[in-house]
Amino acid sequence: GAVVSQHPSRVICKSGTSVKIECRSLDFQATTMFWYRQFPKKSLMLMATSNEGSKATYEQGVEKDKFLINHASLTLSTLTVTSAHPEDSSFYICSASRDYSGVNNQPQHFGDGTRLSIL
Amino acid sequence: GENVEQHPSTLSVQEGDSAVIKCTYSDSASNYFPWYKQELGKGPQLIIDIRSNVGEKKDQRIAVTLNKTAKHFSLHITETQPEDSAVYFCAASKKAGSYQLTFGKGTKLSVIP
Repeated sequence: GAVVSQHPSRVICKSGTSVKIECRSLDFQATTMFWYRQFPKKSLMLMATSNEGSKATYEQGVEKDKFLINHASLTLSTLTVTSAHPEDSSFYICSASRDYSGVNNQPQHFGDGTRLSIL
Repeated sequence: GENVEQHPSTLSVQEGDSAVIKCTYSDSASNYFPWYKQELGKGPQLIIDIRSNVGEKKDQRIAVTLNKTAKHFSLHITETQPEDSAVYFCAASKKAGSYQLTFGKGTKLSVIP
């Protein structure tokens, strides 16, 4: 099956530091990846859509300079939380999809998330 | 944009009973409806999905039904087991994969042994 790996699974850091989260598709090429944020006992909130070789598309209200996304290859997208503050503490989850514009649609597969805690 | 409503928010069933979770969507252009299971501290895991050209799909103890006219779809779990306990999310999109998913708010299912 399709496997998406996310790293690290947990990170604790001081306020003001930047944190990079990696999302890898292990057994397929992903032209599109998505980054979500999830608050405790809440649903997933889409932050941005990452397309290989082009700029990410951010959802309304998500600061692109705060949450930097790089999708440099077909198997890797990274999310960097810059100058993190306690309010950025959350569960960040990525998903990857093999399909972009093909006829045979493929579902999104999710990583296991990154628990980010800013002190 | 799309809006997905999910009910109930919590559901408790006895082991061996069936569980049903219902979702409605607002955008008639939506044509792909996945269901995800999320265990504590983990990412969502796709358990079943259905496309708009199909009314029902089954995979062992799990089934999903879709009523396009009424714009609602449901997840059915039969012969529930304690390991089915988790949070379940429904979602809708206009196309699988490349288009964004709009999620319901989730249902916490507890299967009581």
